[in-house]
Amino acid sequence: QKEVEQNSGPLSVPEGAIASLNCTYSDRGSQSFFWYRQYSGKSPELIMFIYSNGDKEDGRFTAQLNKASQYVSLLIRDSQPSDSATYLCAVGLRSAGNMLTFGGGTRLMVKP
Amino acid sequence: DADVTQTPRNRITKTGKRIMLECSQTKGHDRMYWYRQDPGLGLRLIYYSFDVKDINKGEISDGYSVSRQAQAKFSLSLESAIPNQTALYFCATSDHRVTDTQYFGPGTRLTVL
Repeated sequence: QKEVEQNSGPLSVPEGAIASLNCTYSDRGSQSFFWYRQYSGKSPELIMFIYSNGDKEDGRFTAQLNKASQYVSLLIRDSQPSDSATYLCAVGLRSAGNMLTFGGGTRLMVKP
Repeated sequence: DADVTQTPRNRITKTGKRIMLECSQTKGHDRMYWYRQDPGLGLRLIYYSFDVKDINKGEISDGYSVSRQAQAKFSLSLESAIPNQTALYFCATSDHRVTDTQYFGPGTRLTVL
């Protein structure tokens, strides 16, 4: 079992829809959770982070954390073609001294 | 100006050559990292450094070495490049006093023929 797992996709959604991206992690003691967006051939850029159970909203993005079930998700409302990218989940694993461990990423395609 | 810079941005080299990739940052962060990314395999950690005198191997350090010349500079060397080291290489930084967030440089695309 990988320490941080994501469905590789592609996840295809129509423009204007809600895209839901999921991530599970293995270390129950993990404390910090991040979502990065990566366009093809470019570097990952931070979208948002979440530390506490529940929802955290930033514009069209909402991160959801459920530590009991060991998953974190990212919702993108009103998806736009420009949101088409690979989304990387990163977890500060307690077992790795809180260093970030990245999932393999989910490729999102938003179709006009 | 970019906070994290990498040079070169693209490099084509031949098998057996020694090559160095450089990373510089103006963010004042203490921690620096080197990752490689292959299509479909996500980011894999090569080496990381918590400060100038603290360097650690990551998941895939074989065939690579690093040097932390100063807090702001972290170099990755391929002692004898081989074709399966063809990949996209990223440097990242973080400030552990503030957050675990890592900030990435623009990447170096390396091709080994």
